[in-house]
Amino acid sequence: DTGVSQDPRHKITKRGQNVTFRCDPISEHNRLYWYRQTLGQGPEFLTYFQNEAQLEKSRLLSDRFSAERPKGSFSTLEIQRTEQGDSAMYLCASSFPDPTSYNEQFFGPGTRLTVL
Amino acid sequence: AQKVTQAQTEISVVEKEDVTLDCVYETRDTTYYLFWYKQPPSGELVFLIRRNSFDEQNEISGRYSWNFQKSTSSFNFTITASQVVDSAVYFCALTTGTGTYKYIFGTGTRLKVLA
Repeated sequence: DTGVSQDPRHKITKRGQNVTFRCDPISEHNRLYWYRQTLGQGPEFLTYFQNEAQLEKSRLLSDRFSAERPKGSFSTLEIQRTEQGDSAMYLCASSFPDPTSYNEQFFGPGTRLTVL
Repeated sequence: AQKVTQAQTEISVVEKEDVTLDCVYETRDTTYYLFWYKQPPSGELVFLIRRNSFDEQNEISGRYSWNFQKSTSSFNFTITASQVVDSAVYFCALTTGTGTYKYIFGTGTRLKVLA
């Protein structure tokens, strides 16, 4: 099992540019989550997919953010017209509904975004 | 509303000391799950321990132990005989037994273990 992977690991961009991040969950996991973590804070929930359906979006996810999971496998998170406030670590996690393991989420290594 | 509070922002200990990280949570759900994660400088979240709301039995796993008390809504985590490699940021997280099962994280406690 290869775990959750994210690409790229680091991204530096200029304000106003668009960026896209990719997350590949653990293959049998049908739930996928995106979180954002700013410096000195804990991760904050952004959005949730069950298979290909996006079932919940946080108020943190402004109109400039869009996420997809086209075939219920990998997911992408796009930020349009980036702002310096978007600088953060973007974490992806996946899980499989299993109460015996407390629906534990498995996290990827994250994508660290720096907006200049 | 659900909330996780980690009041300790930073803790420094000398190697081999025991250290306890505090976590207080708020939820109205009767079924919920609590987790502790470690985040080293590399940034990846490393799972440590988990507990569900129906099991208040406290356990020890190697150098890790936890104290779950529903009466005080606390889920404290102890590292025994700390080591320099334990230096990291530690997060407590809460998820409920319904809905999306999204995690609510605390703000983290930075642990520095000095040699």
